Amino acid sequence: SQQGEEDPQALSIQEGENATMNCSYKTSINNLQWYRQNSGRGLVHLILIRSNEREKHSGRLRVTLDTSKKSSSLLITASRAADTASYFCATATNAGGTSYGKLTFGQGTILTVHP
Amino acid sequence: DTAVSQTPKYLVTQMGNDKSIKCEQNLGHDTMYWYKQDSKKFLKIMFSYNNKELIINETVPNRFSPKSPDKAHLNLHINSLELGDSAVYFCASSLGQGSLAYEQYFGPGTRLTVT
Repeated sequence: SQQGEEDPQALSIQEGENATMNCSYKTSINNLQWYRQNSGRGLVHLILIRSNEREKHSGRLRVTLDTSKKSSSLLITASRAADTASYFCATATNAGGTSYGKLTFGQGTILTVHP
Repeated sequence: DTAVSQTPKYLVTQMGNDKSIKCEQNLGHDTMYWYKQDSKKFLKIMFSYNNKELIINETVPNRFSPKSPDKAHLNLHINSLELGDSAVYFCASSLGQGSLAYEQYFGPGTRLTVT
């Protein structure tokens, strides 16, 4: 079953505005990761937040994690046309009782930033 | 230098054929993965290998057989291709024991079309 679900499915904003994407999940996690995928390309890792962290920043990105609500949000400030892409959250859990991890991805948010 | 590379980038073939996709990473990572991304962009893990040992096998049909000749390579062979196998297949790699601590690095993807 799908672990992460993202909201909204699509977001359209103007350059300079902030974009907020939300992710909810169902089971306990080790960490939560956000990835970006430009059209026709592979996924690129943006940020990893561990289950004992509440907030993390990287450049124009801010990620929050609320383990009590099983949710996370990704905020992109001062968006640019180049931020246009699909954004995925992925939850890291133990793989089948092993000490190895696996990622379960949400269906993503399609962000369009208009110049 | 490309960190995670896949060949071929595009693969068009007929039902019933057998095909292979190759993946190589030059990051020195211990863990490699295969993912399938469907037409709705849903990304699902198929297999994971750590240092040539199979770690994750996510209920994938037996027609799919991964092979890891060394820890830098993870190939995917698909027998008796079906229409439903049409998707984009991504290879990825990560340090250590995978996503419990580390992010994943993705290849550019192989778009498989079965006619």
